[in-house]
Amino acid sequence: SQKIEQNSEALNIQEGKTATLTCNYTNYSPAYLQWYRQDPGRGPVFLLLIRENEKEKRKERLKVTFDTTLKQSLFHITASQPADSATYLCALENQGGKLIFGQGTELSVKP
Amino acid sequence: ETGVTQSPTHLIKTRGQQVTLRCSSQSGHNTVSWYQQALGQGPQFIFQYYREEENGRGNFPPRFSGLQFPNYSSELNVNALELDDSALYLCASSRGDRNEKLFFGSGTQLSVL
Repeated sequence: SQKIEQNSEALNIQEGKTATLTCNYTNYSPAYLQWYRQDPGRGPVFLLLIRENEKEKRKERLKVTFDTTLKQSLFHITASQPADSATYLCALENQGGKLIFGQGTELSVKP
Repeated sequence: ETGVTQSPTHLIKTRGQQVTLRCSSQSGHNTVSWYQQALGQGPQFIFQYYREEENGRGNFPPRFSGLQFPNYSSELNVNALELDDSALYLCASSRGDRNEKLFFGSGTQLSVL
């Protein structure tokens, strides 16, 4: 069956360090992958989309990689700040063409 | 340009009751998707509406139903509520029948007692 797996354990890092979050998928061949940020009690907010023919994409302090051979995406936040503390979700289109989300990884950036 | 708005923000119901949740999509968006999010989990896809027609459904029973109106706003109806239906219900809008870059509302927190 199709699965999306993200680190279930919370990631705690020090301010200024780089946070790296992982998204692995099985039994998919997605044309693209997306990352969203979700704050408590709020809906997810779109951050980045990377297509299968793109190895890397950047937006300000954010960087996403997409390895279709490993079936993995890495999401990096450089020079992290306490305001980056949130849950980060990866999402893929399933075979039915609908956007399916991972369970999310909670990031906590300490001052 | 207005964002996605959902109402109500919070709702308390008892088991067996019926509930209707509402969503106004972002201006210019004709697709609405509904998700259920349990505490500590990712959003689970319920169904999607595109131009007033259901355009895909997740693994939810028929007591979860929906509508999309000509102005692209949408309703989610849940009949015969069960305790496990307690969750945050999220509505997301997008342009066309693609799923690139969804815009989410803040959700309706439903508690079933």
